[in-house]
Amino acid sequence: DIQMTQSPSTLSASVGDRVTITCRASQSVHGWLAWYQQKPGKAPKLLIYKASSLENGVPSRFSGSGSGTEFTLTISSLQPDDFATYYCQQYHSFFTFGPGTKVDI
Amino acid sequence: QVTLRESGPALVKPTQTLTLTCTFSGFSLSATGMSVGWVRQPPGKALEWLAVVDWDDYKTYNTSLRTRLTVSQDPSKNQVVLTVTRVDPADTGTYFCARMSGGNPWYFDYWGQGTLVTVSS
Repeated sequence: DIQMTQSPSTLSASVGDRVTITCRASQSVHGWLAWYQQKPGKAPKLLIYKASSLENGVPSRFSGSGSGTEFTLTISSLQPDDFATYYCQQYHSFFTFGPGTKVDI
Repeated sequence: QVTLRESGPALVKPTQTLTLTCTFSGFSLSATGMSVGWVRQPPGKALEWLAVVDWDDYKTYNTSLRTRLTVSQDPSKNQVVLTVTRVDPADTGTYFCARMSGGNPWYFDYWGQGTLVTVSS
């Protein structure tokens, strides 16, 4: 099974900051990687698919990059609504989620 | 408009069987490439994929849980059902159903709100 790791596990930031979250896979997932945002008590929300494609309706301050085993999610200018937990997920071979990165103040 | 909604018991006793239903609208599970999956989340922990059923009734399961999971679909009711046998307190958490529309495996583009299940005697 493919294992996913994320770093950092927690990130303290301020409004306006540029934020980068890293996701690593135990073996190549090519570009088959998605990013989700989850707020407390809510379902995950799809942000990015195929490593760098922005889901419809997601603000352009979110971007994704990477291929193979290393991927990043970048928020160019953190907004108050962005404080949440972010998960990566590979879908090259079944599905595996990362452990999450909590973005807080 | 695509919607999914999970339903099932809030409390289950250890060793019992948990049955959850996902009722969806806005798409047909019979359409080629369409799938519905289940993902759970223990309190304060990460997401864990459980199972997926495809448009052609092909099913895939989390390797570590496959002996306890069964997923099925009822196209006439727009429902997908997940059963978890021999539940344990470690099965406590929020259970989500979610749609994939690009084949299996793919990413989950629409999610239900989730249903919290507690396993306790």
